[in-house]
Amino acid sequence: GAVVSQHPSRVICKSGTSVKIECRSLDFQATTMFWYRQFPKQSLMLMATSNEGSKATYEQGVEKDKFLINHASLTLSTLTVTSAHPEDSSFYICSARDEGSRELFFGEGSRLTVL
Amino acid sequence: QKEVEQNSGPLSVPEGAIASLNCTYSDRVSQSFFWYRQYSGKSPELIMSIYSNGDKEDGRFTAQLNKASQYVSLLIRDSQPSDSATYLCAVRNTGFQKLVFGTGTRLLVSP
Repeated sequence: GAVVSQHPSRVICKSGTSVKIECRSLDFQATTMFWYRQFPKQSLMLMATSNEGSKATYEQGVEKDKFLINHASLTLSTLTVTSAHPEDSSFYICSARDEGSRELFFGEGSRLTVL
Repeated sequence: QKEVEQNSGPLSVPEGAIASLNCTYSDRVSQSFFWYRQYSGKSPELIMSIYSNGDKEDGRFTAQLNKASQYVSLLIRDSQPSDSATYLCAVRNTGFQKLVFGTGTRLLVSP
C-alpha cells in the first residue's frame, strides 16, 4: 500500500537552532500534503496545507516565518522550524493525499525536543 | 463550540465486549468522516471511513453516521486488549481539503 515516510523520527536540538523535517510519498504523487502538530494528550492540530509548486496555506495562529514549508516536488514536502524554542517541542506529523485514490496517508511522525 | 467533539475518556471495557465511541461535529456541510486509531507515540492509522447515512461494517468495526444529528460513531465488537488506543474522529468538508480532528477518546480493553 501507499507509504508516507517522515525523517527524522526523533530530533533533539538546542534552543535557537533550526530543524528540518522531511515528508516523502514513496509510491504515489502528492500535490497536497498537510502538516500537523500534536502536543501530549491533545489532538492533531493542522498547521498548514502544503501545495506543490506554490505557497503553503497556514492555519490561523501559525507563524509562517517560523514554520517554513517547501513543497518543491510531487513526492517531497519539508517543514523547517526556525529558531526553535522549548515550546516548539511537539510531535509533528505529515500526511499526503494520493491524487489517484484521494486517500490520505500519514507519515510516522517526528518528535522534536528543544532543549 | 469545537468543530469535532469527542469524550476524552478513558472508556474502559472488558475483553470481548462491545466498545462504543461517539463523535459530534458542528459543520453541517461536512461530507466525509473518518475514524483513526493512534497508539501512544505513533501517528494515526485509518480504521474506517464513512460518507453516507447509515452503517458501514468492516470486520469487527462498524461506523455509523447520522448527518441530521451531526453524529458519527464507531462500534468495536469483541474488543481485544490490542484495541487499547486513542480513537480519533476526523471530519472533512468537500469544499475544503483539510481534515479536522477531535481530541480523541482513549479506549482501555482489560483482559
